[in-house]
Amino acid sequence: EAQVTQNPRYLITVTGKKLTVTCSQNMNHEYMSWYRQDPGLGLRQIYYSMNVEVTDKGDVPEGYKVSRKEKRNFPLILESPSPNQTSLYFCASSPAAGYNEQFFGPGTRLTVL
Amino acid sequence: ELKVEQNPLFLSMQEGKNYTIYCNYSTTSDRLYWYRQDPGKSLESLFVLLSNGAVKQEGRLMASLDTKARLSTLHITAAVHDLSATYFCAVDIYGNKLVFGAGTILRVKS
Repeated sequence: EAQVTQNPRYLITVTGKKLTVTCSQNMNHEYMSWYRQDPGLGLRQIYYSMNVEVTDKGDVPEGYKVSRKEKRNFPLILESPSPNQTSLYFCASSPAAGYNEQFFGPGTRLTVL
Repeated sequence: ELKVEQNPLFLSMQEGKNYTIYCNYSTTSDRLYWYRQDPGKSLESLFVLLSNGAVKQEGRLMASLDTKARLSTLHITAAVHDLSATYFCAVDIYGNKLVFGAGTILRVKS
């Protein structure tokens, strides 16, 4: 089944404790992206990747890191999480950038205490 | 900076009624997407609109795009309870990211 998977789905952590949210797609998509969803703000892009080893900042990259060493994986790293990063996070992928709908993962609900 | 505005942000409607959700955006683009999100779930693609005048229909939903007016509409015909969800429009101008509207929460009452 074609899908985007994320792990973990739920995470409660404390300020400053490094964490990684994994994202994997099995559709051989070139483009992958991370978004955060906050009430009343819709989804905002954190980082995106056009292909392996090619990543760039979205609208709200502060406090996040990403890497794209393999085509299928695009982990999101929070080096020192803070309470304002409490949010619902979505990973998405598409065959290529532009003119393609994006397919979203199930989401990761993160709470930083 | 691209801004995407949806209205209304909340819509409560009776079953069987018609209504339209509007999506305005501030910068020229010919790529607009509509997504649906059920509570606690991920986003599901509804429509992909890639040219001026594009119109797509699926069941009771119809989406259109007017790139000159920078406006997309999502029209609901004879609403049913199953359409209750949050609807997002998203605009792509650079080919590498989507800018989302805040979402329209739709509640269909029987």
